Amino acid sequence: DAGITQSPRHKVTETGTPVTLRCHQTENHRYMYWYRQDPGHGLRLIHYSYGVKDTDKGEVSDGYSVSRSKTEDFLLTLESATSSQTSVYFCAISESGRNTGELFFGEGSRLTVL
Amino acid sequence: QQQVKQSPQSLIVQKGGISIINCAYENTAFDYFPWYQQFPGKGPALLIAIRPDVSEKKEGRFTISFNKSAKQFSLHIMDSQPGDSATYFCAASKDSGYALNFGKGTSLLVTP
Repeated sequence: DAGITQSPRHKVTETGTPVTLRCHQTENHRYMYWYRQDPGHGLRLIHYSYGVKDTDKGEVSDGYSVSRSKTEDFLLTLESATSSQTSVYFCAISESGRNTGELFFGEGSRLTVL
Repeated sequence: QQQVKQSPQSLIVQKGGISIINCAYENTAFDYFPWYQQFPGKGPALLIAIRPDVSEKKEGRFTISFNKSAKQFSLHIMDSQPGDSATYFCAASKDSGYALNFGKGTSLLVTP
């Protein structure tokens, strides 16, 4: 299995509180991604990173921010969580980045916003 | 909007049967078409992928069929087994971009 660790794996929080999810990789892959998975929507890209301090928005980036200060860590922050952000969040990594290489996914972080 | 449309949403197949999942896309710039398999509680994992220069790719019991003119591709699982029960996602991307565009997923149940 690819060395990807997501934390926390489960979190329940209240509307309006800040939340940070962490993705840590031991593969030294350059590219990292945050996806959310919702029933009926599949996997949707939130943000991605193509290097330290290099990030860009995906298709559902509103309400989320990311940071990558080290190759191995990619943080996803919900500044003020809303119920619509209840979801399962997956971190993924890839070596090639240009979408022609394999994405390796973490095991997910289930977030519930009450 | 959904760039990759996947059907059916769910599928029940008897052991030994053939499971078929279909996907369609509109963007002719897409040039990489992977399928991911996801078991409950786990992240998706790459199953098989194809490029549009070939019409079919086979790996064991799993085959991708690709129809460039129709902008469709499908996954066939031959001799389906209960262990194949999972959610399957098709996806598409273009070499100039960073994002994989996923379909909404198909929940496959293979009954004994």
